[in-house]
Amino acid sequence: AQSVTQLDSHVSVSEGTPVLLRCNYSSSYSPSLFWYVQHPNKGLQLLLKYTSAATLVKGINGFEAEFKKSETSFHLTKPSAHMSDAAEYFCVVSSATGTASKLTFGTGTRLQVTL
Amino acid sequence: GAVVSQHPSRVICKSGTSVKIECRSLDFQATTMFWYRQFPKQSLMLMATSNEGSKATYEQGVEKDKFLINHASLTLSTLTVTSAHPEDSSFYICSANSADYNEQFFGPGTRLTVL
Repeated sequence: AQSVTQLDSHVSVSEGTPVLLRCNYSSSYSPSLFWYVQHPNKGLQLLLKYTSAATLVKGINGFEAEFKKSETSFHLTKPSAHMSDAAEYFCVVSSATGTASKLTFGTGTRLQVTL
Repeated sequence: GAVVSQHPSRVICKSGTSVKIECRSLDFQATTMFWYRQFPKQSLMLMATSNEGSKATYEQGVEKDKFLINHASLTLSTLTVTSAHPEDSSFYICSANSADYNEQFFGPGTRLTVL
């Protein structure tokens, strides 16, 4: 069985300050982990993915995440928030590396960016 | 990246009627597509895995006779909600597996409202 827990349902930051969205995972196998972003009325977009290569993963739009096996965490960070980053973010786990694998989504974290 | 479309983007229907939702991969072939539903302010829950040319695999608790899935071609999967009831009102999202991009791409979703 696999699952992810997103520790914050809502995070608010000021524009230009760092972003931290927390995610812990549980998996019986070596997991593949993803972060997706969902903007209103748009499809989910992949930010980054970890598939057992480098533990620090860089994604699009300046986001990155670090896989820490000892802490079973995969937190998403960005050095400086932008207004356009306001959206819903999902941490996702897959038990296999293939793209046809089933994905298990976390409950989501809504990121609010204020001026 | 690849593009996945869904049609319609929103639909309102009367209780007891059936509604068909289409999911298309516009510029790639997808042997596997996935259907999710998302309740307001909640995460995505996988409903079923749709494989081209074969029967869909449904997740536990999902009624296969109520949510009919057809994946007749490598670019199209359809989800039909039969005899819809108000509790079926939700946001339905599909994703398509792209082997070329080693990624799942998500459609923008279909909002179903059953009156």
